[in-house]
Amino acid sequence: EVQLVESGGGLVQPGGSRRLSCSASGFTFSSSGMHWVRQAPGKGLEHVAVIAYNGDDTYYAESVKGRFTISRDNLDNTLYLQMTSLRTEDTATYYCVKDAYHTGRGWFDPWGQGVLVTVSS
Amino acid sequence: DIVLTQSPATLSLSPGERATLSCRASQYVASYIAWYQQRPGQAPRLLIYDGFNRATGIPDRFSGGGSGTDFTLTISSLEPEDFAVYYCHQRSDWFPTFGQGTRLEIK
Repeated sequence: EVQLVESGGGLVQPGGSRRLSCSASGFTFSSSGMHWVRQAPGKGLEHVAVIAYNGDDTYYAESVKGRFTISRDNLDNTLYLQMTSLRTEDTATYYCVKDAYHTGRGWFDPWGQGVLVTVSS
Repeated sequence: DIVLTQSPATLSLSPGERATLSCRASQYVASYIAWYQQRPGQAPRLLIYDGFNRATGIPDRFSGGGSGTDFTLTISSLEPEDFAVYYCHQRSDWFPTFGQGTRLEIK
């Protein structure tokens, strides 16, 4: 069974940093593109970042470009999202998502349970 | 970025009725549309990919259609567990985007 388990959420002050982790199991992690998708409270889904299977290609939403970095450790089956210069509008549940393709250009399945990041003073 | 517009924003129906949800893309996306269901307090789950393909374990009352810029998700006969929020998603562009969602509520 494919499992994606996020961790690292919590309360952060504006301007602060946080690193989210996603531990993957049940599939060949090193062959899968991976994503972070977020959802602000009561709002819709926003794609944040994608990384190809080997880490060579990454893309970011304009809203986080230059502040967030997606990375992966294929030996440890872990996906990361390093978030810096956090703003109140970054408050959201962050989902780790597996892509159907190694490039990260496919559909999203499955999704992790999500981790809440709250940016507030 | 490609903008996806879902309609209606809210759909009120009764169990056993047929639901039709729409998703319109601002540009041509071929059949590269997926649909997801999100129940309260849960993560989204994949229902349909590439326009009309049902994901593993999805009941056949769910079906997807359309191509180009206009797409539909149809639920043939609503079950109580189908009342949720539904999102469409395009993977045609280099950066994926989602629609704003349609809330399917019990009438």
